[in-house]
Amino acid sequence: EPEVTQTPSHQVTQMGQEVILRCVPISNHLYFYWYRQILGQKVEFLVSFYNNEISEKSEIFDDQFSVERPDGSNFTLKIRSTKLEDSAMYFCASSEALRGPSNQPQHFGDGTRLSIL
Amino acid sequence: AQKITQTQPGMFVQEKEAVTLDCTYDTSDQSYGLFWYKQPSSGEMIFLIYQGSYDEQNATEGRYSLNFQKARKSANLVISASQLGDSAMYFCAINTNAGKSTFGDGTTLTVKP
Repeated sequence: EPEVTQTPSHQVTQMGQEVILRCVPISNHLYFYWYRQILGQKVEFLVSFYNNEISEKSEIFDDQFSVERPDGSNFTLKIRSTKLEDSAMYFCASSEALRGPSNQPQHFGDGTRLSIL
Repeated sequence: AQKITQTQPGMFVQEKEAVTLDCTYDTSDQSYGLFWYKQPSSGEMIFLIYQGSYDEQNATEGRYSLNFQKARKSANLVISASQLGDSAMYFCAINTNAGKSTFGDGTTLTVKP
């Protein structure tokens, strides 16, 4: 069964540095998402992406964050000037476009655990 | 704005019995989808079941069923014949056609042998 893959599984970065989290969505999916989950807490929506542009973003997704689909397979989340509170599990998800995102389940990757020191 | 409320931080159920996990939602959108995900202690997010706002019949997927009451804005998950492997965190989520998702705080389910 096709799956969403995320790399790396664990990223350790010094505070203030930039980090890029990578995701390969399922090949026929057209909606892509990033979420974060601080340890033991709820899953927080960051951004959705469709047709090479941001579809929706949350108030968390400020100028520190950006997303990109650099080629036909990868979907990346860039975090600039990382802060201690950016430490979390970051999940990528993708869904089909048929009938719109509200009707399609999102398939999640296994996540990247980001640790800011 | 949209919101998901899961009022049960933790639930216990005896193996082989059924359990209902509560979820209420709030949205101003007419078209939306309601989803349940399972997150075991290993951390991955597993899609379980989906209900569309215009679906008249309750969704079922194997041992999972969704008790959808639109007027009450509730979308409770029913797990029948609980198994030890069902012990996990369960999240209810809503997704709009604009692609915005909101998750609830989750319910930790523990299945007792």
